Amino acid sequence: SQQGEEDPQALSIQEGENATMNCSYKTSINNLQWYRQNSGRGLVHLILIRSNEREKHSGRLRVTLDTSKKSSSLLITASRAADTASYFCATDEGSNQFYFGTGTSLTVIP
Amino acid sequence: GAGVSQSPRYKVAKRGQDVALRCDPISGHVSLFWYQQALGQGPEFLTYFQNEAQLDKSGLPSDRFFAERPEGSVSTLKIQRTQQEDSAVYLCASSLVGHYNEQFFGPGTRLTVL
Repeated sequence: SQQGEEDPQALSIQEGENATMNCSYKTSINNLQWYRQNSGRGLVHLILIRSNEREKHSGRLRVTLDTSKKSSSLLITASRAADTASYFCATDEGSNQFYFGTGTSLTVIP
Repeated sequence: GAGVSQSPRYKVAKRGQDVALRCDPISGHVSLFWYQQALGQGPEFLTYFQNEAQLDKSGLPSDRFFAERPEGSVSTLKIQRTQQEDSAVYLCASSLVGHYNEQFFGPGTRLTVL
Protein backbone atom coordinates (compact mmCIF):
# COMPACT_ATOMS: atom_id res chain seq x y z
CA SER A 1 0.00 0.00 0.00
CA GLN A 2 1.11 3.58 -0.51
CA GLN A 3 1.40 5.85 2.46
CA GLY A 4 1.86 9.20 0.75
CA GLU A 5 -0.54 11.14 -1.35
CA GLU A 6 0.52 13.97 -3.58
CA ASP A 7 -1.66 16.90 -4.44
CA PRO A 8 -2.49 17.95 -7.08
CA GLN A 9 -2.47 14.83 -9.23
CA ALA A 10 -1.63 16.93 -12.28
CA LEU A 11 -0.27 20.45 -12.71
CA SER A 12 0.33 22.46 -15.87
CA ILE A 13 2.24 25.75 -15.79
CA GLN A 14 4.09 28.11 -18.11
CA GLU A 15 7.86 28.11 -18.22
CA GLY A 16 9.27 30.53 -15.66
CA GLU A 17 6.39 30.11 -13.21
CA ASN A 18 6.74 28.40 -9.85
CA ALA A 19 5.28 24.95 -9.21
CA THR A 20 4.12 23.77 -5.80
CA MET A 21 3.10 20.24 -4.99
CA ASN A 22 2.11 18.78 -1.66
CA CYS A 23 2.47 15.44 0.01
CA SER A 24 0.55 14.05 2.96
CA TYR A 25 1.45 10.90 4.84
CA LYS A 26 -0.09 8.80 7.56
CA THR A 27 2.38 7.84 10.29
CA SER A 28 5.49 9.20 11.97
CA ILE A 29 8.65 9.17 9.87
CA ASN A 30 12.41 9.43 10.13
CA ASN A 31 12.79 11.23 6.85
CA LEU A 32 10.90 12.24 3.74
CA GLN A 33 12.38 12.23 0.27
CA TRP A 34 11.25 13.67 -3.05
CA TYR A 35 11.94 11.91 -6.34
CA ARG A 36 11.39 12.82 -9.97
CA GLN A 37 10.53 10.35 -12.70
CA ASN A 38 10.50 10.87 -16.42
CA SER A 39 10.83 8.50 -19.30
CA GLY A 40 14.30 9.67 -20.16
CA ARG A 41 16.08 9.32 -16.83
CA GLY A 42 13.95 7.04 -14.72
CA LEU A 43 13.51 7.73 -11.00
CA VAL A 44 15.94 10.29 -9.60
CA HIS A 45 16.42 11.47 -6.03
CA LEU A 46 15.90 15.21 -5.55
CA ILE A 47 16.11 16.02 -1.88
CA LEU A 48 15.88 14.43 1.57
CA ILE A 49 14.52 16.18 4.65
CA ARG A 50 14.79 14.65 8.09
CA SER A 51 11.99 14.67 10.63
CA ASN A 52 13.77 17.26 12.80
CA GLU A 53 14.16 19.67 9.86
CA ARG A 54 11.50 22.12 8.74
CA GLU A 55 12.89 23.47 5.49
CA LYS A 56 15.59 22.56 3.01
CA HIS A 57 16.85 24.09 -0.22
CA SER A 58 18.67 22.65 -3.19
CA GLY A 59 19.14 24.88 -6.20
CA ARG A 60 15.67 25.79 -7.48
CA LEU A 61 14.02 23.34 -5.09
CA ARG A 62 12.59 24.19 -1.69
CA VAL A 63 11.08 21.54 0.53
CA THR A 64 9.16 22.09 3.75
CA LEU A 65 8.09 19.53 6.31
CA ASP A 66 5.35 19.88 8.91
CA THR A 67 5.37 16.77 11.07
CA SER A 68 2.41 17.98 13.13
CA LYS A 69 0.28 18.01 9.98
CA LYS A 70 2.10 15.05 8.44
CA SER A 71 2.67 16.99 5.25
CA SER A 72 5.44 18.26 3.02
CA SER A 73 5.60 20.59 0.07
CA LEU A 74 7.98 20.83 -2.86
CA LEU A 75 8.42 24.18 -4.57
CA ILE A 76 10.20 24.41 -7.91
CA THR A 77 11.04 28.00 -8.78
CA ALA A 78 11.52 29.43 -12.27
CA SER A 79 10.34 26.23 -13.90
CA ARG A 80 11.82 24.95 -17.15
CA ALA A 81 10.46 22.62 -19.80
CA ALA A 82 12.98 20.04 -18.59
CA ASP A 83 11.18 19.95 -15.22
CA THR A 84 8.27 18.17 -16.91
CA ALA A 85 8.01 14.86 -15.04
CA SER A 86 6.16 13.04 -12.29
CA TYR A 87 7.16 13.93 -8.75
CA PHE A 88 6.83 11.52 -5.83
CA CYS A 89 7.31 11.89 -2.12
CA ALA A 90 8.58 8.86 -0.24
CA THR A 91 8.61 8.11 3.47
CA ASP A 92 9.67 5.46 5.92
CA GLU A 93 7.94 4.50 9.14
CA GLY A 94 11.12 3.84 11.07
CA SER A 95 11.03 0.47 9.38
CA ASN A 96 12.81 -1.07 6.42
CA GLN A 97 9.89 -0.32 4.16
CA PHE A 98 9.79 2.76 2.03
CA TYR A 99 6.50 4.19 0.82
CA PHE A 100 6.01 6.25 -2.31
CA GLY A 101 2.99 8.42 -2.95
CA THR A 102 0.82 8.38 -6.03
CA GLY A 103 2.68 11.25 -7.67
CA THR A 104 2.07 14.67 -9.19
CA SER A 105 2.38 14.93 -12.95
CA LEU A 106 3.95 18.30 -13.79
CA THR A 107 3.86 19.76 -17.30
CA VAL A 108 5.88 22.89 -17.99
CA ILE A 109 4.80 24.57 -21.20
CA PRO A 110 7.60 26.36 -23.08
CA GLY B 1 29.20 1.71 -15.10
CA ALA B 2 28.50 3.93 -12.16
CA GLY B 3 24.76 3.41 -11.87
CA VAL B 4 22.33 0.65 -11.04
CA SER B 5 21.69 -1.64 -13.97
CA GLN B 6 18.83 -4.02 -14.55
CA SER B 7 18.26 -6.75 -17.10
CA PRO B 8 16.39 -7.47 -19.14
CA ARG B 9 14.87 -4.06 -19.82
CA TYR B 10 11.76 -5.66 -21.31
CA LYS B 11 10.32 -9.08 -20.76
CA VAL B 12 7.24 -10.65 -22.29
CA ALA B 13 6.07 -13.86 -20.68
CA LYS B 14 3.17 -16.17 -21.27
CA ARG B 15 0.93 -16.70 -18.31
CA GLY B 16 2.31 -19.52 -16.20
CA GLN B 17 5.95 -19.00 -17.17
CA ASP B 18 8.66 -18.30 -14.62
CA VAL B 19 10.77 -15.15 -15.01
CA ALA B 20 13.99 -13.91 -13.41
CA LEU B 21 14.89 -10.24 -13.22
CA ARG B 22 18.42 -9.16 -12.44
CA CYS B 23 19.73 -6.12 -10.60
CA ASP B 24 23.36 -4.95 -10.43
CA PRO B 25 23.60 -2.32 -7.67
CA ILE B 26 26.22 0.37 -7.33
CA SER B 27 29.45 -1.15 -6.07
CA GLY B 28 29.78 -0.79 -2.31
CA HIS B 29 26.11 -0.13 -1.68
CA VAL B 30 24.99 -2.22 1.26
CA SER B 31 21.24 -1.86 0.82
CA LEU B 32 19.14 -3.05 -2.09
CA PHE B 33 15.44 -2.58 -2.64
CA TRP B 34 12.94 -4.00 -5.12
CA TYR B 35 9.77 -2.15 -6.08
CA GLN B 36 6.82 -2.84 -8.35
CA GLN B 37 5.33 0.07 -10.27
CA ALA B 38 2.00 -0.22 -12.03
CA LEU B 39 1.07 2.21 -14.78
CA GLY B 40 0.19 5.61 -13.38
CA GLN B 41 1.10 4.68 -9.81
CA GLY B 42 4.05 5.23 -7.54
CA PRO B 43 6.53 2.43 -6.84
CA GLU B 44 5.37 -0.09 -4.25
CA PHE B 45 7.90 -1.66 -1.90
CA LEU B 46 8.51 -5.38 -2.38
CA THR B 47 11.60 -6.34 -0.41
CA TYR B 48 14.82 -5.06 1.16
CA PHE B 49 18.30 -6.54 1.53
CA GLN B 50 21.17 -5.44 3.68
CA ASN B 51 24.18 -7.19 2.20
CA GLU B 52 23.01 -10.77 1.63
CA ALA B 53 20.37 -10.70 4.37
CA GLN B 54 16.77 -10.19 3.31
CA LEU B 55 15.56 -8.05 6.19
CA ASP B 56 12.06 -7.36 4.94
CA LYS B 57 10.00 -9.22 2.38
CA SER B 58 6.60 -8.14 3.58
CA GLY B 59 5.81 -6.35 0.32
CA LEU B 60 6.06 -9.44 -1.86
CA PRO B 61 2.48 -9.93 -3.12
CA SER B 62 2.44 -13.72 -3.02
CA ASP B 63 4.58 -16.77 -2.49
CA ARG B 64 5.17 -16.82 -6.23
CA PHE B 65 7.61 -13.96 -5.72
CA PHE B 66 11.09 -14.73 -4.47
CA ALA B 67 14.19 -12.55 -4.22
CA GLU B 68 17.79 -13.35 -3.39
CA ARG B 69 21.14 -11.64 -3.07
CA PRO B 70 23.46 -14.52 -2.23
CA GLU B 71 26.79 -12.66 -2.26
CA GLY B 72 25.58 -9.29 -1.14
CA SER B 73 25.87 -7.65 -4.55
CA VAL B 74 23.78 -8.78 -7.53
CA SER B 75 20.15 -9.57 -6.77
CA THR B 76 17.55 -11.58 -8.63
CA LEU B 77 13.80 -11.25 -8.36
CA LYS B 78 12.04 -14.39 -9.49
CA ILE B 79 8.36 -14.68 -10.25
CA GLN B 80 6.95 -18.16 -10.65
CA ARG B 81 3.84 -19.06 -12.63
CA THR B 82 3.35 -15.48 -13.81
CA GLN B 83 -0.14 -14.02 -13.90
CA GLN B 84 -1.47 -11.07 -15.89
CA GLU B 85 -1.66 -8.95 -12.75
CA ASP B 86 2.11 -9.29 -12.42
CA SER B 87 2.51 -7.01 -15.45
CA ALA B 88 4.34 -3.92 -14.21
CA VAL B 89 7.72 -2.24 -14.14
CA TYR B 90 10.04 -3.76 -11.57
CA LEU B 91 12.51 -1.28 -10.15
CA CYS B 92 15.66 -1.99 -8.22
CA ALA B 93 17.39 0.60 -6.05
CA SER B 94 20.53 0.62 -3.96
CA SER B 95 21.81 2.89 -1.23
CA LEU B 96 24.77 3.14 1.08
CA VAL B 97 22.91 1.86 4.15
CA GLY B 98 19.17 1.62 4.64
CA HIS B 99 16.62 4.19 3.67
CA TYR B 100 18.28 7.01 5.56
CA ASN B 101 20.21 7.82 2.44
CA GLU B 102 19.05 8.54 -1.06
CA GLN B 103 18.26 5.55 -3.18
CA PHE B 104 19.71 5.19 -6.66
CA PHE B 105 17.31 3.54 -9.04
CA GLY B 106 17.90 1.39 -12.05
CA PRO B 107 15.96 1.86 -15.29
CA GLY B 108 13.57 -0.94 -14.43
CA THR B 109 12.37 -4.08 -16.16
CA ARG B 110 9.01 -3.81 -17.89
CA LEU B 111 7.26 -7.16 -17.53
CA THR B 112 4.27 -7.95 -19.69
CA VAL B 113 2.39 -11.16 -19.03
CA LEU B 114 0.14 -12.27 -21.85
